Amino acid sequence: DAKTTQPTSMDCAEGRAANLPCNHSTISGNEYVYWYRQIHSQGPQYIIHGLKNNETNEMASLIITEDRKSSTLILPHATLRDTAVYYCIVRRNTGANSKLTFGKGITLSVRP
Amino acid sequence: EPEVTQTPSHQVTQMGQEVILRCVPISNHLYFYWYRQILGQKVEFLVSFYNNEISEKSEIFDDQFSVERPDGSNFTLKIRSTKLEDSAMYFCASSVSRGARGAFFGQGTRLTVV
Repeated sequence: DAKTTQPTSMDCAEGRAANLPCNHSTISGNEYVYWYRQIHSQGPQYIIHGLKNNETNEMASLIITEDRKSSTLILPHATLRDTAVYYCIVRRNTGANSKLTFGKGITLSVRP
Repeated sequence: EPEVTQTPSHQVTQMGQEVILRCVPISNHLYFYWYRQILGQKVEFLVSFYNNEISEKSEIFDDQFSVERPDGSNFTLKIRSTKLEDSAMYFCASSVSRGARGAFFGQGTRLTVV
């Protein structure tokens, strides 16, 4: 699976949009971009995933650049409960390998 | 929303003892996983299980570890002879397929080996 690079940390104000960047310059054509988050040592929580089109669900939006070498997770109206470590993971959805490889992620701190 | 349930939430055991960590995956899921997270470190993959057999395992998952799905609902991780370095949060996860929405994780079991 391709490697991802994320900043170590960022913060944003409550109620504002949080834009979390991720670089995955070596991504291959059949690899998806997944985002998970982990709130204070709880189990990781799936947020969203995409291949090349932008995706939106009730939690977030995922914007993938046209060359697929980077993406941005957008939390449109961050709340204090969104304070967590966010992981950007690149993974194929086929073949024997179905594991998720977690990096260090980006720590998002939402301030009041 | 359905969830993955893990028991116990916290287990303390003496070095050399056997422990069994239990998980109830989401009922219609077919793929099952164990991950662990040593305090302050990354979440690490241990093993994946499908169709009643291990489909992939990491280097961490040595002969001291085993997994089992003893009935239609439970999925267990056994550590035969615990070491101090096995102290970690252990997360169970399950998924409908390899892809789809990705895996749903339980809240974890904190294992402390003393």
